[in-house]
Amino acid sequence: EAGVAQSPRYKIIEKRQSVAFWCNPISGHATLYWYQQILGQGPKLLIQFQNNGVVDDSQLPKDRFSAERLKGVDSTLKIQPAKLEDSAVYLCASSLGWGNTEAFFGQGTRLTVV
Amino acid sequence: DQQVKQNSPSLSVQEGRISILNCDYTNSMFDYFLWYKKYPAEGPTFLISISSIKDKNEDGRFTVFLNKSAKHLSLHIVPSQPGDSAVYFCAATTGNQFYFGTGTSLTVIP
Repeated sequence: EAGVAQSPRYKIIEKRQSVAFWCNPISGHATLYWYQQILGQGPKLLIQFQNNGVVDDSQLPKDRFSAERLKGVDSTLKIQPAKLEDSAVYLCASSLGWGNTEAFFGQGTRLTVV
Repeated sequence: DQQVKQNSPSLSVQEGRISILNCDYTNSMFDYFLWYKKYPAEGPTFLISISSIKDKNEDGRFTVFLNKSAKHLSLHIVPSQPGDSAVYFCAATTGNQFYFGTGTSLTVIP
């Protein structure tokens, strides 16, 4: 079974630039998550999709972050403009659906803002 | 508000001995608890889980214990192996939303 795919693996940008990350979840998984993991901390949930609808985006900094999952499969997470404190690993995860407790994670995208 | 806490950022254990990783939580509505293992440059991978209606779940060398009255869970690894060296995250879920602890870095010394 193919896992959760994320790209790019690494990205270095200057502050105030924009960046986009891509995630392809496991086939058939209805729920997709984006997490932000700052060095030394646990992953923080940014946004959760159920199919193509947003279930929870309460911790998403909406002034600069946006995410979409138009066809209920792939998802993109965008930051515009980036700040130094956005430097982190951005993890995508997916699970079968509501009530399913096991989530599968991608390898993440390491973003460095300079 | 940190609903899931791992108060020990690191732990060192001799190979063959028991590793005990601890996790505390505040939300009594959590109905499932999970442990994830993370190697450098990789995403977390699922290790073991436990439902809130149980107090113990065992899978090979890994056992998770849940004490609901104390809002505490622990992961026991017996015997510990050098390949177990990684960061371990405790997670809790209510519905389908996950809350993670900050992680404990386990080093198993050969």
